[in-house]
Amino acid sequence: ELKVEQNPLFLSMQEGKNYTIYCNYSTTSDRLYWYRQDPGKSLESLFVLLSNGAVKQEGRLMASLDTKARLSTLHITAAVHDLSATYFCAVGTLPRGGANNLFFGTGTRLTVIP
Amino acid sequence: EAGVTQFPSHSVIEKGQTVTLRCDPISGHDNLYWYRRVMGKEIKFLLHFVKESKQDESGMPNNRFLAERTGGTYSTLKVQPAELEDSGVYFCASSLHLAGGYNEQFFGPGTRLTVL
Repeated sequence: ELKVEQNPLFLSMQEGKNYTIYCNYSTTSDRLYWYRQDPGKSLESLFVLLSNGAVKQEGRLMASLDTKARLSTLHITAAVHDLSATYFCAVGTLPRGGANNLFFGTGTRLTVIP
Repeated sequence: EAGVTQFPSHSVIEKGQTVTLRCDPISGHDNLYWYRRVMGKEIKFLLHFVKESKQDESGMPNNRFLAERTGGTYSTLKVQPAELEDSGVYFCASSLHLAGGYNEQFFGPGTRLTVL
């Protein structure tokens, strides 16, 4: 079974600082997802990374994928309080037809302190 | 357009009782997935429907869990009888079913189940 390890589990950081969340996975996959979840809300899709070396940026968040190392990172630049949430990485199984089950990491609960 | 909705948002039941969770996917999404997050653990896949057919139920923990999707629209997940270890947040997700490409999954807000 595909295993996804995400760290850290908890991250408390001050506004304006930078930090990186790491996501390792155990077997071959060609797609990796980052989600954000606010308390009581749905998982919101942030990034989909589909190839080795893919890098995507949205505001203060940047995600990258190294399929050879089976590693994805989510980098936070100059954190602001609004980024406080739980962040999940998820790896998709190789698709069968139109299906694509996801294997999730444990999540990183980020708290940005003013 | 409405997103994925789930009902109820919270459910508290006693061990041995029955609970039924409901998921309404985005209209037109043939793929429907159920996931579960037990406290402090990762979100785990339970099963996958394409329309009304179960495509993969490899993640279902045991035969106390029964999922249905009659008519290929909404889905229900029944737990009978519930045990303490069934407590967690149950997520539903839906996506289009287009072969050959990735199909983004859209998640509902989850149902928080507490078994006392």
